[in-house]
Amino acid sequence: GAGVSQTPSNKVTEKGKYVELRCDPISGHTALYWYRQSLGQGPEFLIYFQGTGAADDSGLPNDRFFAVRPEGSVSTLKIQRTERGDSAVYLCASSSNPDSLQAFFGQGTRLTVV
Amino acid sequence: DQQVKQNSPSLSVQEGRISILNCDYTNSMFDYFLWYKKYPAEGPTFLISISSIKDKNEDGRFTVFLNKSAKHLSLHIVPSQPGDSAVYFCAASLFGSARQLTFGSGTQLTVLP
Repeated sequence: GAGVSQTPSNKVTEKGKYVELRCDPISGHTALYWYRQSLGQGPEFLIYFQGTGAADDSGLPNDRFFAVRPEGSVSTLKIQRTERGDSAVYLCASSSNPDSLQAFFGQGTRLTVV
Repeated sequence: DQQVKQNSPSLSVQEGRISILNCDYTNSMFDYFLWYKKYPAEGPTFLISISSIKDKNEDGRFTVFLNKSAKHLSLHIVPSQPGDSAVYFCAASLFGSARQLTFGSGTQLTVLP
């Protein structure tokens, strides 16, 4: 596809369960970012990948959150032992290189923990 | 502590008039400022940016003004069109890139026909 694709669009899970959220960046984009947007707030930075490595994970809220990008394209955000406070829209973005100011966002995955 | 603030949750403007969206920041180390636009059920889309060494950047109907001494920036849309109705996010960069952007909470702009 032409844009950043995120799956699923919506995910409802029970408290304590494990979830995986997937991001397919724009083909050829080396930089990939995860953000989280809570209700009424702007997106908050979680983690940034350059290629396969996590170049900056300072935004991950705690060790229940983990992300991978094993082949330098698709990325998966993993959340263990989900809590109701994890409910938010998780946004993925990519850019052509790490020095680019313009990032292209996907439509997000709305996670609801019940 | 919010480093980027958008104090107006909503703004309504008549079609054809000017829309002015405001943003304040606290961190003087930010080197670039950006505006993103978001429609419902879509991701934010990049609109316009400005370097901290500039005071104005213009792109068609969109102009961003930066007042560093006041730590304030604004987005002007002239003339406003109904299709401009969206949530507008102000964002700031520390690294001159999209890495680790700090976003404001957004302003819902409604352009009335």
